[in-house]
Amino acid sequence: EAGVAQSPRYKIIEKRQSVAFWCNPISGHATLYWYQQILGQGPKLLIQFQNNGVVDDSQLPKDRFSAERLKGVDSTLKIQPAKLEDSAVYLCASSLSGTLYNEQFFGPGTRLTVL
Amino acid sequence: AQTVTQSQPEMSVQEAETVTLSCTYDTSESDYYLFWYKQPPSRQMILVIRQEAYKQQNATENRFSVNFQKAAKSFSLKISDSQLGDAAMYFCAYRRETSGSRLTFGEGTQLTVNP
Repeated sequence: EAGVAQSPRYKIIEKRQSVAFWCNPISGHATLYWYQQILGQGPKLLIQFQNNGVVDDSQLPKDRFSAERLKGVDSTLKIQPAKLEDSAVYLCASSLSGTLYNEQFFGPGTRLTVL
Repeated sequence: AQTVTQSQPEMSVQEAETVTLSCTYDTSESDYYLFWYKQPPSRQMILVIRQEAYKQQNATENRFSVNFQKAAKSFSLKISDSQLGDAAMYFCAYRRETSGSRLTFGEGTQLTVNP
């Protein structure tokens, strides 16, 4: 079974530029999560999708961050314009709804550096 | 709001020895799940072990076991017969019992295994 795929693995941009990250969840997983992990901290949920609908985006900085999940499969997270404090690893995870544990499977993440 | 606290930023252990990582959490819920995740330098978050709050029996997965103290809101991870491959960042995480709810992570403990 293929895991959660993310691209790119690394991205370096200057502040005020825009950037986009892509995530392809495990086939059949209805729930998709985007986490932000700042160096030295645990991951923090940015947004959660159930199929192509948003379940939780309470911690998403909506003035600069946006995300979409077209057709309930792939997802894109965008930052525009980027700030220095956005430097972090962005993790995508997916889970199979309706199971006892709803275990989340994580992708390898995208490391973003904002200069 | 739920919070997860890991008070040990770094721990070290000799190969083949036993080490215990601490975690405390705060919640007003009675039903929830607790997890330990491992994050090696590759950044891939890997589930190590999970515990359902309604179960009194502590979870065990091979060399990994937990000490779950619900009244004290404590959830420690014991690694027996430590191996070099166990070296990683370990995160304690909490999730409400509600299907598909978010994971709340602690700050992490960096484990070093000395040969």
